[in-house]
Amino acid sequence: DAEITQSPRHKITETGRQVTLACHQTWNHNNMFWYRQDLGHGLRLIHYSYGVQDTNKGEVSDGYSVSRSNTEDLPLTLESAASSQTSVYFCASSPSGNYNEQFFGPGTRLTVL
Amino acid sequence: AQTVTQSQPEMSVQEAETVTLSCTYDTSENNYYLFWYKQPPSRQMILVIRQEAYKQQNATENRFSVNFQKAAKSFSLKISDSQLGDTAMYFCAFMKVYNQGGKLIFGQGTELSVKP
Repeated sequence: DAEITQSPRHKITETGRQVTLACHQTWNHNNMFWYRQDLGHGLRLIHYSYGVQDTNKGEVSDGYSVSRSNTEDLPLTLESAASSQTSVYFCASSPSGNYNEQFFGPGTRLTVL
Repeated sequence: AQTVTQSQPEMSVQEAETVTLSCTYDTSENNYYLFWYKQPPSRQMILVIRQEAYKQQNATENRFSVNFQKAAKSFSLKISDSQLGDTAMYFCAFMKVYNQGGKLIFGQGTELSVKP
């Protein structure tokens, strides 16, 4: 069955370290998204991509970067982790075009000490 | 910019009863989608129901229905015959229509507890 996976599911890191969160989908969706979930804020969009080599900033992109070298993967990198980036991170994907449903991964809980 | 507001941080309901979760949004767009997502303790995001703004008829999915009031920019979720498995965080979300695909804007969430 097609699916979307995230790894790792849990990670603890230290302030200042570079961290990469992986997202992989097997639906062959062109669109992929990264959100972070914090108490009182719901989910907020970090970065998104509409296809290979395309990346765009979302609402809360500072301190994060993404790259899209193939259709299946959109890794999220925290260049220099900060305690404010402690959060739960969700990846999502959807087909391109005027299609509304996004399919979410299981989430990654990141703690920055 | 669009915003989504859920004014009820927590709600509780007795099993088998009906509960309504509120959501309001702000947009100048005329063509958009609205969603309710459920997030159980497993953390998985599950689509409950969606509404296209151009449709006047309210969406229904089994025990879940919405009351979509476009002029008032209101989008409430009614859960009938509540079950213990409905215990979860519920998020209201807005999506503007783009040619390439939409971006979701979420509300803060309502934590629903269904009590036996």
